[in-house]
Amino acid sequence: KQEVTQIPAALSVPEGENLVLNCSFTDSAIYNLQWFRQDPGKGLTSLLLIQSSQREQTSGRLNASLDKSSGRSTLYIAASQPGDSATYLCAVILVSQNFVFGPGTRLSVLP
Amino acid sequence: ETGVTQSPTHLIKTRGQQVTLRCSSQSGHNTVSWYQQALGQGPQFIFQYYREEENGRGNFPPRFSGLQFPNYSSELNVNALELDDSALYLCASSLDRVSSYNSPLHFGNGTRLTVT
Repeated sequence: KQEVTQIPAALSVPEGENLVLNCSFTDSAIYNLQWFRQDPGKGLTSLLLIQSSQREQTSGRLNASLDKSSGRSTLYIAASQPGDSATYLCAVILVSQNFVFGPGTRLSVLP
Repeated sequence: ETGVTQSPTHLIKTRGQQVTLRCSSQSGHNTVSWYQQALGQGPQFIFQYYREEENGRGNFPPRFSGLQFPNYSSELNVNALELDDSALYLCASSLDRVSSYNSPLHFGNGTRLTVT
């Protein structure tokens, strides 16, 4: 059974810092991996999608990497801003088309 | 282009009752999936509908059922509500079944269900 974990569970940083969020999964037989952002009480917004054949994707200040063999993905946020405060979730997409989400990392960026 | 909309936004029900949640998919999207998100946890996949047929199901009991209509909007029905059913229920749509795992998912803001 695929399990997804995220470290740290919560993170508080001053504005301007670069930071890394970690996602680990137990079964490397995944189709894709997505990183999402969730604001309190809201739905999820897709940030980056990495297909299993890719090693990284970039969008603005965000960079996500994928190492299937080790079961790891990282989300790098450069020059963090207070508006980046949210919960960040990773999800692996299985070949059965089922999504398995991690519990998320709650990020606070302090002005 | 209209996004994914869900109704109602909040709902309070009593244990044992039945509830119906609704989702209108983004324009042009024919695939809808439903998720349950308990407080402080990641969403859990309930099921997916593609062109009015169930196309995959997570580890949820049969009292969780769904429908998709010809306009691709969808309903999630939960019978015999239990206290543990209290959660945020999220709907996501995608262009088609293949895109559901190959393109970013578009989520609604969810329905917050409280069972007392």
